[in-house]
Amino acid sequence: AQSVTQPDIHITVSEGASLELRCNYSYGATPYLFWYVQSPGQGLQLLLKYFSGDTLVQGIKGFEAEFKRSQSSFNLRKPSVHWSDAAEYFCAVAGDTGRRALTFGSGTRLQVQP
Amino acid sequence: EADIYQTPRYLVIGTGKKITLECSQTMGHDKMYWYQQDPGMELHLIHYSYGVNSTEKGDLSSESTVSRIRTEHFPLTLESARPSHTSQYLCASSERGNTEAFFGQGTRLTVV
Repeated sequence: AQSVTQPDIHITVSEGASLELRCNYSYGATPYLFWYVQSPGQGLQLLLKYFSGDTLVQGIKGFEAEFKRSQSSFNLRKPSVHWSDAAEYFCAVAGDTGRRALTFGSGTRLQVQP
Repeated sequence: EADIYQTPRYLVIGTGKKITLECSQTMGHDKMYWYQQDPGMELHLIHYSYGVNSTEKGDLSSESTVSRIRTEHFPLTLESARPSHTSQYLCASSERGNTEAFFGQGTRLTVV
């Protein structure tokens, strides 16, 4: 069965600082990996996705993520955080066969200090 | 731009009432999903559908039921609401053969 671990429940960074949110996945074959962002009271918006190919993927809002198969990781990064980035971030994995429904991590809440 | 809509956005209802949460998408997606999310917690898949007349239970056991009579519509029903059903319910859809899911804004349900 597939699973996702986000080790950091809550992260606080200063505006303008760099950001890295950690994600580790468990899946027996080639995973499809996603990062979603959720603002309070809202649904989820896709930031970026990895299916295959280049292991460094670019997303919206200046985010990027790197797939590292050897570490089973898909960490999200941003070089300079803006106050509007404060939100909940979810990493998700799906298989390339069968049901293909997303399995989510428990999320990381990002707080941005001025 | 994703077009998936959930109504109502917020619902406060008494114990024992029957409720239906609506979800509609205009993208012609075959696959649709319902996730349940408690405050500050991860999303758990409770139902999914591959197409019309196809519904399956998800990973998290739920007393709710779903139906898929039309491609664009995937309502979720609770026959008798209880306080334990208080949660946020998120609907999503994706294309056949694709795993990228588009989400609605969610329905926050409170059962008193």
